[in-house]
Amino acid sequence: DNVMTQTPLSLSVTPGQPASISCKSTQSLLYRDGKIYLYWYLQKTGQSPKLLIYGVSNRFSGVPDRFIGSGSGTDFTLKISRVEAEDVGVYYCMQSIDLPITFGQGTRLEIK
Amino acid sequence: EVLLVDSGGSVVQPGGSLRLSCAASGFTFDDYTMHWVRQAPGKGLEWVSLISWDGGTTDYADSVKGRFTISRDNSKNALYLQMNSLRTEDTALYYCVKDIGGDSFLDYYGLDVWGQGTMVIVSS
Repeated sequence: DNVMTQTPLSLSVTPGQPASISCKSTQSLLYRDGKIYLYWYLQKTGQSPKLLIYGVSNRFSGVPDRFIGSGSGTDFTLKISRVEAEDVGVYYCMQSIDLPITFGQGTRLEIK
Repeated sequence: EVLLVDSGGSVVQPGGSLRLSCAASGFTFDDYTMHWVRQAPGKGLEWVSLISWDGGTTDYADSVKGRFTISRDNSKNALYLQMNSLRTEDTALYYCVKDIGGDSFLDYYGLDVWGQGTMVIVSS
């Protein structure tokens, strides 16, 4: 299985400050179609996960532009340029280049 | 608006069976692969199964292979998960999830919209 490792597992950020989450895969996520199958989700307390980023850096419909995805190969990063109170929750990266689809352990973001 | 409504969760004894359902609306259901993903209490996300748009391709996590069966009824815009030989470790919130789709002629691409989840508790 393609293991996804996120760091840190938790972070506490002052509103208005940036935040960064790393996600590393054990196998390359670049497929022969030239696309990278790396996704980011946010799960707020008591809610189902919501898609933030697909294909490494593409924001899903309605996602604010303060969420920025980057990376290549096996190393990826989700950055929040200026954290807001509504950004609290658990962030997950996910790969779907092969089966089984696998998720990172999750990174809990809290507000200071 | 894409909407997925999960149902069928319950308390069941080990060894028992359960059938989950997902009612889809707001998109052309038979254009998309669909997935089930689960989340044990206080834990992370685990992909469970997928089924292609026409039901011709299915796949399962090793942890459920041989016990769970995914199916769909495109005439009813419905997705199902038949769960047999349930174990205590199957206790989780089960989500129906729509595939994001793409243009590379693949069976699956990734997950976009999630249902609200339905809780399965396996306990004696």
